Order: sequence, then structure tokens, then C-alpha cells
Amino acid sequence: DAKTTQPPSMDCAEGRAANLPCNHSTISGNEYVYWYRQIHSQGPQYIIHGLKNNETNEMASLIITEDRKSSTLILPHATLRDTAVYYCIVRVVGSTGNQFYFGTGTSLTVIP
Amino acid sequence: GAVVSQHPSRVICKSGTSVKIECRSLDFQATTMFWYRQFPKQSLMLMATSNEGSKATYEQGVEKDKFLINHASLTLSTLTVTSAHPEDSSFYICSAWGQGRATDTQYFGPGTRLTVL
Repeated sequence: DAKTTQPPSMDCAEGRAANLPCNHSTISGNEYVYWYRQIHSQGPQYIIHGLKNNETNEMASLIITEDRKSSTLILPHATLRDTAVYYCIVRVVGSTGNQFYFGTGTSLTVIP
Repeated sequence: GAVVSQHPSRVICKSGTSVKIECRSLDFQATTMFWYRQFPKQSLMLMATSNEGSKATYEQGVEKDKFLINHASLTLSTLTVTSAHPEDSSFYICSAWGQGRATDTQYFGPGTRLTVL
């Protein structure tokens, strides 16, 4: 079962920063937070992941609260091509290894 | 980034037939592959986890005799939908967990759209 909750939808003006929140209040100490996005009828695309420290790459920044119960994905300058469903996922280490359970995600619409 | 391919991208079949979907990691060795199913306007649902050389582990509610998974090599996993019925129509997506990759994550294929008539 998914261990994350996200708002179902958000809008963002083109060129502005998009801040997508995620709650994962039951996360365990060794579980990572991952972000993926899915454009309609395509496979999900990896964005970023982190454990406890904030992370940044060429696509986005990930801010994780000190208690690790929530995080925020930041797209610094949203473009129309960033319109997609964004999934926040907690990587669970199960009996068969790493498993990823998707929640309902946030549908981000970037407005011109 | 890593590349995972799926074949076919779309398939239409008659009810009662079997369909095989291939998932390949093209530039890395995948010790673990995952299979997901996605219905319209819904999220991805994990069906099974497949480790190379061993039997797949199915999620609760997924029939292992209906969805046969084979992961015989480090670059190929197959999902066979046996005796397909219209309710099996869905978007099937595989992903691969990379070994020796710089980024510790799973990479997704482009998906296979299955339509059962």
C-alpha cells in the first residue's frame, strides 16, 4: 500500500516555481522518498530521490523536513512540458527487495 | 539515463487468447524487474516483483496463474497474460532496478496498451 498522500491537482503559471507537497508520516528511518512523473500514456520518468538531506539535480529540488514526515518537490521554472502527474513514493524494502507503491499523485497543469 | 524497452507497444487480441509482453533493459543489468498495471485515470498498481533466476513474487489479489512472469536473464523479463478477457484490458508497464548504475532507482519502460475484444 502507498505510504504517501498528495493533493490531487495543482496549477502553476509558466516560468514560476512549482511546489508539490507530499505527506509520508509513517516513513521508516531507512526508507527513501522518490519522485516520478508520468505524461499521459507514457511510462513514469524518474525525477529525484532522497533520504534525509535536501537534494538537487538538473530537473528539480527535493526538500525533506527534518522529521521526514513530509517533503516538497520544486520545479524551479515550470514549462508547459512539465504538465504531468507527479508521484511521490516511499521505497519499501520488503522480503523480495526494493518495492515502490504508487499513490494517487498530483496532476500538475502549467498554465501559459 | 538508462533505457528500458517494452514490446509490443500496443496489442489487440481476442478473448481467450494469450499475450506475451517483453521488457528489456538496454544498457544495464537488471537484477530486479517490476510489473505494473494502470487503468484509465488511475495510478500504477504493482502486480509483481521479479528477481533474475527466481520465481516472481505477486502482490495480493494478482493471479499468478493468469499473469505468468519469467525473468530468465539480467536484461529480459516477460509477462504473459493467459486466457485474456476484456477486463484484462489495461496499460501494462515494466520497470527495472539497475545494478551498478549511478542513480539508485528503477527505470520504467514506455508501457504496453492491451485491448482484449
